[in-house]
Amino acid sequence: GAVVSQHPSWVICKSGTSVKIECRSLDFQATTMFWYRQFPKQSLMLMATSNEGSKATYEQGVEKDKFLINHASLTLSTLTVTSAHPEDSSFYICSASAGVAYEQYFGPGTRLTVT
Amino acid sequence: GENVEQHPSTLSVQEGDSAVIKCTYSDSASNYFPWYKQELGKGPQLIIDIRSNVGEKKDQRIAVTLNKTAKHFSLHITETQPEDSAVYFCAASLSGGSYIPTFGRGTSLIVHP
Repeated sequence: GAVVSQHPSWVICKSGTSVKIECRSLDFQATTMFWYRQFPKQSLMLMATSNEGSKATYEQGVEKDKFLINHASLTLSTLTVTSAHPEDSSFYICSASAGVAYEQYFGPGTRLTVT
Repeated sequence: GENVEQHPSTLSVQEGDSAVIKCTYSDSASNYFPWYKQELGKGPQLIIDIRSNVGEKKDQRIAVTLNKTAKHFSLHITETQPEDSAVYFCAASLSGGSYIPTFGRGTSLIVHP
C-alpha cells in the first residue's frame, strides 16, 4: 500500500515552454500533497503544500506564478513549470499524505532538463 | 522553525558491519521522526519512523532510537549489505500540526562488498 506515482519520470523541454508533472496517490486518498525540489547531492527543498480543493501554500522564495500547483482531487496533484529556463532543471519529487497526522509517501521523482 | 542536523555526511563500511547515522533537532515540540532511504535517481522511501512516546523501534536489521531530552535520534543498520548503499535522510515534524517535516542534509552510505 501507500504508493505514489509521478509522470513523466523524465522530461526534456526547450527554454520558454511549459511542462506539467503529475503526482498520483494510487491506493489511498491524499488530503495533502507536497512538492519538493532536489539538487544533486542535496536534501529535499519543500516548494509548496497543497490540500485538495484549496490553493497551494508556497514556501518563501518560490514563485507561485512560475510553479503552478493544482490539487484537483484526492488522488491527483499537478505541478506546471511555466516558461521554463535552464535554471529550473532539477529533480522534482512529490509526496502525499492522508492528512496532517499521517506519514508522507514519496513519488519516484521527475527529472526535468531545460535546454 | 525546526532545524535538523545530520551526521556524518558520508559513511563507508564493510559488508556485515553496522552503520549508525545521527540527527539532532531543535524544536522540542517535534514528535514524529521518520527516516528515508533514497537510491540514485529515485524518490525517498520511508524505511522506519518513531514517535515521541517511545524510545526505540526495531524492524529486522534497522532500528531507530530517540532521546527527547537530548533532542537527538539515530538510525542503526546492522549486518549491512551492498544493497543498503544509498542516501539516508532523517526528518523531524510535529504530527497533528502543520506536519511538514524538516529534513536533514542526508548521509551517503556506502557498503563495500
